[in-house]
Amino acid sequence: HSALTQPASVSGSPGQSITISCAGSSSDIGGYNYVSWYQQYPGAAPRLIIYDFTNRPSGISDRFSGSKSGNTASLTISGLQAEDEADYHCCSYTSSSALVFGGGTRLTVL
Amino acid sequence: VQLVESGGGVVQPGRPLRLSCAASGFVFSSYGMHWVRQAPGKGLEWVAVIWYDGTSKYYADSVKGRFTISRDNSKDTLYLQMNSLRIEDTAVYYCGRVGIRNHWHLANWGRGTLVSVSS
Repeated sequence: HSALTQPASVSGSPGQSITISCAGSSSDIGGYNYVSWYQQYPGAAPRLIIYDFTNRPSGISDRFSGSKSGNTASLTISGLQAEDEADYHCCSYTSSSALVFGGGTRLTVL
Repeated sequence: VQLVESGGGVVQPGRPLRLSCAASGFVFSSYGMHWVRQAPGKGLEWVAVIWYDGTSKYYADSVKGRFTISRDNSKDTLYLQMNSLRIEDTAVYYCGRVGIRNHWHLANWGRGTLVSVSS
């Protein structure tokens, strides 16, 4: 199963909103409601920030939101803060009863 | 929730290695578990998942037939038996617990253990 497609990098200034896209197919993102997003700081383990497309785990800021349109999922971070600078990974369930990740996106806060 | 991986190290191509993931802080026998890996400087790659009772297991194509996921609910421990290791299996290996609603996201992650396959 092919990896999901994310931009390699995005950037934004403090206070702005940014959106990270995650493109897949009807065999993954478009066919199921199981997309998750993970935040990862350098040298650290990933942390779940969005699951089932739009849900936030307890303790995750409401500045993080998820959405879906067709075969593409998106993560939006509003009110950008310096602490948001990290790598972001999308992930989807697939028709093969497996998970597939995107290549990851490096977010830079200018 | 605490997950602690162990068993990583340097191994020659073709040799086996077994990783462990010790779980605490939750009822281990009630949750499915995943293994995910990350090659140096690369993105995340899903490896395998096992149901809470071990009855179902699924693997990435890249490891199918070489890796085996298993668990011992009496010891609150998850395993990954890796055989016929290849250089491209070099990565940090993370274990993760599934969420409450379904098996298809990793709600909690360990810190990872590094596996380096080199001659």
